[in-house]
Amino acid sequence: DVVMTQTPVSLSVAIGQPASISCKSSQSLVGTSGKTYLNWLLQRPGQSPKRLIYLVSKLDSGIPDRFSGSGSETDFTLKISRVEADDLGVYYCLQGTHFPHTFGAGTKLELK
Amino acid sequence: AVQLVESGGGLVQPKESLKISCAASGFTFSNAAMYWVRQAPGKGLEWVARIRTKPNNYATYYADSVKGRFTISRDDSKSMVYLQMDNLKTEDTAMYYCTAGPYFDYWGQGVMVTVSS
Repeated sequence: DVVMTQTPVSLSVAIGQPASISCKSSQSLVGTSGKTYLNWLLQRPGQSPKRLIYLVSKLDSGIPDRFSGSGSETDFTLKISRVEADDLGVYYCLQGTHFPHTFGAGTKLELK
Repeated sequence: AVQLVESGGGLVQPKESLKISCAASGFTFSNAAMYWVRQAPGKGLEWVARIRTKPNNYATYYADSVKGRFTISRDDSKSMVYLQMDNLKTEDTAMYYCTAGPYFDYWGQGVMVTVSS
């Protein structure tokens, strides 16, 4: 199985400051189509997960451009340029290239 | 608006069966791959199963932890996806989320399944 190693486990950030989360996969996430099926999700407290980014860097509709995704092959990053109060929760990376699909263990973003 | 509404959860004893459902609306259901993802209490997310579309022969895929015990199915005429869970174990206790593809685009609110004697 593809192991998704997500760091840090938790992050304490002041409003207006940047944040960065890393996700490394144990093998390349480039699929046979040439696409890289790497998603980022946010699970706010008491809510179901919501996708923020798909195919490494494509922002979902309604997601502010403070969020950005980058990376390739096995090394991926989610960045928030200026954290807002609504951003708190647990962030997960998810690979959809290989079966079984696998998630990172999550990064809990707290406000400082 | 897109909606995924899960139902059918509850408390069952080990080795029993349960079938949970997900009603979809707001998108072309027949064109979407569908998934089940679960989350044990206080834990992270675990992918459970996937079913593809009719042009892809409704192909199914399962996590090793549920293979042979769980069956995912869909009814395109009703925009429904199901998860039949047999021989349930205590470690299957979790919130089960229905999600719609192709890239886990949409998520339901989840349904709780508790396996306990």
